[in-house]
Amino acid sequence: NAGVTQTPKFQVLKTGQSMTLQCAQDMNHEYMSWYRQDPGMGLRLIHYSVGAGITDQGEVPNGYNVSRSTTEDFPLRLLSAAPSQTSVYFCASRLRERNTEAFFGQGTRLTVV
Amino acid sequence: AQSVAQPEDQVNVAEGNPLTVKCTYSVSGNPYLFWYVQYPNRGLQFLLKYITGDNLVKGSYGFEAEFNKSQTSFHLKKPSALVSDSALYFCAVSPGGGADGLTFGKGTHLIIQP
Repeated sequence: NAGVTQTPKFQVLKTGQSMTLQCAQDMNHEYMSWYRQDPGMGLRLIHYSVGAGITDQGEVPNGYNVSRSTTEDFPLRLLSAAPSQTSVYFCASRLRERNTEAFFGQGTRLTVV
Repeated sequence: AQSVAQPEDQVNVAEGNPLTVKCTYSVSGNPYLFWYVQYPNRGLQFLLKYITGDNLVKGSYGFEAEFNKSQTSFHLKKPSALVSDSALYFCAVSPGGGADGLTFGKGTHLIIQP
């Protein structure tokens, strides 16, 4: 049982480049979300999806795009990378019910130079 | 808007002593509260949750948490700390209204000294 899989694990980008962080889950979870983790700031929500074809913004959405064409996949796109986007990114999924816990991927460490 | 506060950046405990990691929350309506643990260079792992019912919730690895509605707190506890408990701990609250995305506290580094 793979759970939530994120690729790549590490990435270095130059300012202005674009890239896509991949996230896939095999638990048939309806809800998926992306977070960024910065030192001393906990995790902050970037975007989330409550089902295929439905996405919405979180606390820090600027500079990021998402789409959800299937239940399994929820990629995060950086349109034009900036040094402020240097962070560790986590994808999570859970069932629809509010009382269910989220399952997290292992994270992508992104450095923008 | 909902929020979570973890007032301590770091908690130091001697191995074998009881530990407490503090969390307070602010939500409208019934709170759905979670504790997660993060080991170095790893993702977050679920420890326990409070949904409704008993105010003392038991979770993984011998951890438990005490929900106190009047003090809006959800402190994480363990009767006897292990060195392997050293990690970063996050308290989080779940949104309502059909949205997703947990609101996290800033995290507390727990250091267990041998």
